[in-house]
Amino acid sequence: ETGVTQTPRHLVMGMTNKKSLKCEQHLGHNAMYWYKQSAKKPLELMFVYSLEERVENNSVPSRFSPECPNSSHLFLHLHTLQPEDSALYLCASSRSRVTGELFFGEGSRLTVL
Amino acid sequence: AQSVTQLGSHVSVSEGALVLLRCNYSSSVPPYLFWYVQYPNQGLQLLLKYTTGATLVKGINGFEAEFKKSETSFHLTKPSAHMSDAAEYFCAVSENTGNQFYFGTGTSLTVIP
Repeated sequence: ETGVTQTPRHLVMGMTNKKSLKCEQHLGHNAMYWYKQSAKKPLELMFVYSLEERVENNSVPSRFSPECPNSSHLFLHLHTLQPEDSALYLCASSRSRVTGELFFGEGSRLTVL
Repeated sequence: AQSVTQLGSHVSVSEGALVLLRCNYSSSVPPYLFWYVQYPNQGLQLLLKYTTGATLVKGINGFEAEFKKSETSFHLTKPSAHMSDAAEYFCAVSENTGNQFYFGTGTSLTVIP
């Protein structure tokens, strides 16, 4: 069993759909992250949660809405996305917000038609 | 802000040859340095990290990296490439005062039989 699990692994949606990405970590970590990975670009940090509180939001459009109901689960709610939002979305966790390396999930490949 | 530069977006080596992937960073404070590997359709996996202490760091799968403060570099090496090393490699930096990670754009390693 991997430490960070993401579902679904692949998602195709239209621009008017509403969908959610789910992340679960089994490492006992206190911080969780959403990253966006696009081809030939550095990983883009989207959101950071520490102890279920959002501590960072890097100017992400409101069509992306994160939710962290507890320290083990993280969601990314998607609504009226654009084709340029197609990317690999990676969830990660770390021991705390101020220390520890990132542990990544396998990612959710999103295609917006 | 920190920045990470990975020279060479694509590197090809013959099986059994030396692997050298370059990473330079800019940092105004002592950094923590990381190398991650990403296999196709998977998330990022930590190869090795430097935080403090010995500047030559050994990681998994026979990889190692050396922190050279004077050159602001953290190049990744492996004496003998294996076919299974073919993947995307990412260098990352974080400041030791927090856990904000900065990633390079990645280097795709091809191993030629």
